[in-house]
Amino acid sequence: SQTIHQWPATLVQPVGSPLSLECTVEGTSNPNLYWYRQAAGRGLQLLFYSVGIGQISSEVPQNLSASRPQDRQFILSSKKLLLSDSGFYLCACGQGTNEKLFFGSGTQLSVL
Amino acid sequence: GDSVTQMEGPVTLSEEAFLTINCTYTATGYPSLFWYVQYPGEGLQLLLKATKADDKGSNKGFEATYRKETTSFHLEKGSVQVSDSAVYFCALRSGANSKLTFGKGITLSVRP
Repeated sequence: SQTIHQWPATLVQPVGSPLSLECTVEGTSNPNLYWYRQAAGRGLQLLFYSVGIGQISSEVPQNLSASRPQDRQFILSSKKLLLSDSGFYLCACGQGTNEKLFFGSGTQLSVL
Repeated sequence: GDSVTQMEGPVTLSEEAFLTINCTYTATGYPSLFWYVQYPGEGLQLLLKATKADDKGSNKGFEATYRKETTSFHLEKGSVQVSDSAVYFCALRSGANSKLTFGKGITLSVRP
């Protein structure tokens, strides 16, 4: 089954600094990849999804961007972090319409 | 658009108590419904699912029945254990890919 590697586990960054969170997947090929965020007191919100290399769909307008340079690599970035970017970020992997999603262990981002 | 509403938390129960966590949804078409669980320090993992009306998903003593007439998917367990302490997310999937819409999640604490 799929294994998702996500790092770092925790991150504290000042406002205005750049961000790069990386997610890599093992045990599958050509997966659908997702970035979710959970802000304090809110549910998991889908930020981006990708059905293939270089194909990124954004679900909500925001300060973040995503890239998929390789089949099993999904990167979440920002040029300048905002306070509102604080939250728990989860990478997820799925295939097809009936596969369940597998999640990484998440990154707790605090922007100060 | 699609949405999932979960009861407000947190919930604290004594071991062997009966658990109900409410979940209702709004979706177009006929979504698949899921419960995901996040144990402390771990990523989300699928607990159970149901793909059509009146289906019952079950796993680890937990059950949830897909009720189309009430648009609900309440999670139940007859006798909770300390090891069930976790955050529980209700989710739905509709459409042509694996995108999930999550509820806010609810923290369950079970005391000995």
